[in-house]
Amino acid sequence: DVKVTQSSRYLVKRTGEKVFLECVQDMDHENMFWYRQDPGLGLRLIYFSYDVKMKEKGDIPEGYSVSREKKERFSLILESASTNQTSMYLCASEQNTEAFFGQGTRLTVV
Amino acid sequence: DQQVKQNSPSLSVQEGRISILNCDYTNSMFDYFLWYKKYPAEGPTFLISISSIKDKNEDGRFTVFLNKSAKHLSLHIVPSQPGDSAVYFCAASVKWGSARQLTFGSGTQLTVLP
Repeated sequence: DVKVTQSSRYLVKRTGEKVFLECVQDMDHENMFWYRQDPGLGLRLIYFSYDVKMKEKGDIPEGYSVSREKKERFSLILESASTNQTSMYLCASEQNTEAFFGQGTRLTVV
Repeated sequence: DQQVKQNSPSLSVQEGRISILNCDYTNSMFDYFLWYKKYPAEGPTFLISISSIKDKNEDGRFTVFLNKSAKHLSLHIVPSQPGDSAVYFCAASVKWGSARQLTFGSGTQLTVLP
């Protein structure tokens, strides 16, 4: 079974803090993704990576950056957290056609 | 500008009856479509998919239908069970280099009443 693990289930951070969300997959997938889920908006793609050190912007990259130093790990960085970044963050890895998701990180910025 | 739309935010169905969830898309470049199921506080899990070269795919109680000319797909669940109560996301996929970029709809909350 593919396993995608996100480092935290719940996080509370203060406005202006730098926030790191970590994601690890164990299936040697090349492609990894970060989404955020908000009510009424579904899942929106923030960034994705198709190889180590490679990254591409998704639909809503503003305020975020990513890092992929190793194939199995894809990190999402909020450079200066703001209250409008309060959301559920979902990491996924994909090979061929199907994406596998982590359990999600509920981030609250206060 | 949503490329994938699920126009029904919620749907209630009696146990044992059919649940039909609908999804429309606008981008004709999408060539693969998926349905995901999501319980609260969990990540989405893959349910069923269909390639654009097919018009139907069946897996147990779940069937996905694709109408390419109408840019419409639907998920049928028969018979519906209370454990099917979840949010269902439709996703459309296009190849981007070696990756497949998924675009999701806004989701439909399905409630199956006992």
